[in-house]
Amino acid sequence: SQKIEQNSEALNIQEGKTATLTCNYTNYSPAYLQWYRQDPGRGPVFLLLIRENEKEKRKERLKVTFDTTLKQSLFHITASQPADSATYLCALVAGYGGATNKLIFGTGTLLAVQP
Amino acid sequence: DAGVIQSPRHEVTEMGQEVTLRCKPISGHNSLFWYRQTMMRGLELLIYFNNNVPIDDSGMPEDRFSAKMPNASFSTLKIQPSEPRDSAVYFCASSLASNPGAVNQPQHFGDGTRLSIL
Repeated sequence: SQKIEQNSEALNIQEGKTATLTCNYTNYSPAYLQWYRQDPGRGPVFLLLIRENEKEKRKERLKVTFDTTLKQSLFHITASQPADSATYLCALVAGYGGATNKLIFGTGTLLAVQP
Repeated sequence: DAGVIQSPRHEVTEMGQEVTLRCKPISGHNSLFWYRQTMMRGLELLIYFNNNVPIDDSGMPEDRFSAKMPNASFSTLKIQPSEPRDSAVYFCASSLASNPGAVNQPQHFGDGTRLSIL
């Protein structure tokens, strides 16, 4: 069956360090992968999109990699801050090459940045 | 600009009652999604619409759930009769529709309706 796995345990890091979150998938061949941030009591907020032919994408302190051979995406936050504390979700397009916005979400990883 | 607006933010009702959740998407967006989020199952897609037409309702749990989109600026998700296992946070999201070969569009979420069925 199709599966998207993210670290189920919370990731605790010290302020200023780089946080690295993992998203692994099986039985998919996604053309795109997206990362979202979700704060308690709020809906997910889109952060970054990366295509299958892009190895890496950056936006300010955020970096996403996409390895279609390993079937893995890594999400990095450099110089992390307590305000980065949230749950981070990866999402894949369900279906390849079609006109679809249907996304399958991972269960998310809770990041806690300690001051 | 206003984002996706959902109402009510919280709903507590007794088992067997009808529940109606409402969503106003971002103006100009032509795809609308309903999701359910629980601790056990995460964020699950229930149904999505393109240009007010339901495209995929394979995530709708059973006949007790129904969704409508009578126009481009309004959608409802109805549960009748409600059961305790329906308790969850229900999110609505909207986006521009993807065209074949175009970049997959990001989705914009509302802040959800927290539903508790007693």
